[in-house]
Amino acid sequence: EAGVTQFPSHSVIEKGQTVTLRCDPISGHDNLYWYRRVMGKEIKFLLHFVKESKQDESGMPNNRFLAERTGGTYSTLKVQPAELEDSGVYFCASSQGGTGFRHEQYFGPGTRLTVT
Amino acid sequence: AQSVSQHNHHVILSEAASLELGCNYSYGGTVNLFWYVQYPGQHLQLLLKYFSGDPLVKGIKGFEAEFIKSKFSFNLRKPSVQWSDTAEYFCAVGGGSYIPTFGRGTSLIVHP
Repeated sequence: EAGVTQFPSHSVIEKGQTVTLRCDPISGHDNLYWYRRVMGKEIKFLLHFVKESKQDESGMPNNRFLAERTGGTYSTLKVQPAELEDSGVYFCASSQGGTGFRHEQYFGPGTRLTVT
Repeated sequence: AQSVSQHNHHVILSEAASLELGCNYSYGGTVNLFWYVQYPGQHLQLLLKYFSGDPLVKGIKGFEAEFIKSKFSFNLRKPSVQWSDTAEYFCAVGGGSYIPTFGRGTSLIVHP
């Protein structure tokens, strides 16, 4: 069974540019989560999809971040325009259906975003 | 709001030494507790979890953690570490709104 995959693995962009990160969850997993880790800090929750619906997006830092999960399969996270403080590692995770975080979350390898 | 504190940011041990990584949280209600590990070049993966029942939880690779409610703690332990335990370890707490809150992580280096 394929795990959670993320693309790209690393992205370097200039301030003001746009970047789109992609996450492919494990097939059949209804729950999809985005997290971010700024260097040396905590892993912070960004948002949670159940199928194609946003269940909770309270962690999204501001309206420069837009997440979608069309069709309830893969998800994209777009940052537009990117700022220096957006640099960090963006993790995606997925889990089976049911009560949120009681189900084990399977993490992807992360996308390291560097904004210069 | 809940918060998680991992006291040790960097730990260096020799093989066969005992390990204890501290994790304290602040939340007054029922909590779900997790330890995740990220080995070099690998994905973050679940090491062990506690939802209810026996407060001493056994995980993979010989790790265990003990939930002490009165101390708001969920410390991770291993009696004898190996070089292959070199990794970053994250404590996470889910409660209330169930959104998990992660600690800053502890980087463990085990010298052979």
